[in-house]
Amino acid sequence: DTAVSQTPKYLVTQMGNDKSIKCEQNLGHDTMYWYKQDSKKFLKIMFSYNNKELIINETVPNRFSPKSPDKAHLNLHINSLELGDSAVYFCASSRGASGYNEQFFGPGTRLTVL
Amino acid sequence: GQQVMQIPQYQHVQEGEDFTTYCNSSTTLSNIQWYKQRPGGHPVFLIQLVKSGEVKKQKRLTFQFGEAKKNSSLHITATQTTDVGTYFCAGTDSSYKLIFGSGTRLLVRP
Repeated sequence: DTAVSQTPKYLVTQMGNDKSIKCEQNLGHDTMYWYKQDSKKFLKIMFSYNNKELIINETVPNRFSPKSPDKAHLNLHINSLELGDSAVYFCASSRGASGYNEQFFGPGTRLTVL
Repeated sequence: GQQVMQIPQYQHVQEGEDFTTYCNSSTTLSNIQWYKQRPGGHPVFLIQLVKSGEVKKQKRLTFQFGEAKKNSSLHITATQTTDVGTYFCAGTDSSYKLIFGSGTRLLVRP
């Protein structure tokens, strides 16, 4: 069984479109994250939720809106997609919000904006 | 804000050679974690160091946490082609947030 799963794995879309990426974890973790990894492999945190509550909200355009319907799910909706949004987006989860907890990453969603 | 830098950015070695990546923080860290990301894959947790001066080993991998808790290193002895990937350190400062380093991409020539 996959611990952290994301859908879709690949997403190719036109500029200006709206798209969503879904993430689910079956580890019973309280905390979930969204990361953006650019072509240079920099891994940048975007958002974090703990028990469905937003606890980290980095400087991210408000076109990006996370939503956590329950502890096991964290979705990412992106409005008005731009070329610069092209990247690999990773979902991750951990037992708690503390930085002492190991993070488990999903397989990633490669987003290409044309 | 806090930054965690890694050097080198890239390292290309011959199989059998040793490899070291260094992680440096602008502030004191509570802990250091190391992750490995294979090409096309996702980051996978390797280890966590918490104590000042701590050294841990995993087979050919040796991890160190500096005495001042501002730097760390990962050393691989006798690299193999399976070691290929990007190695990230990640540290926590006074907040609970884990900050990832810039990563070191390792390529191994067979």
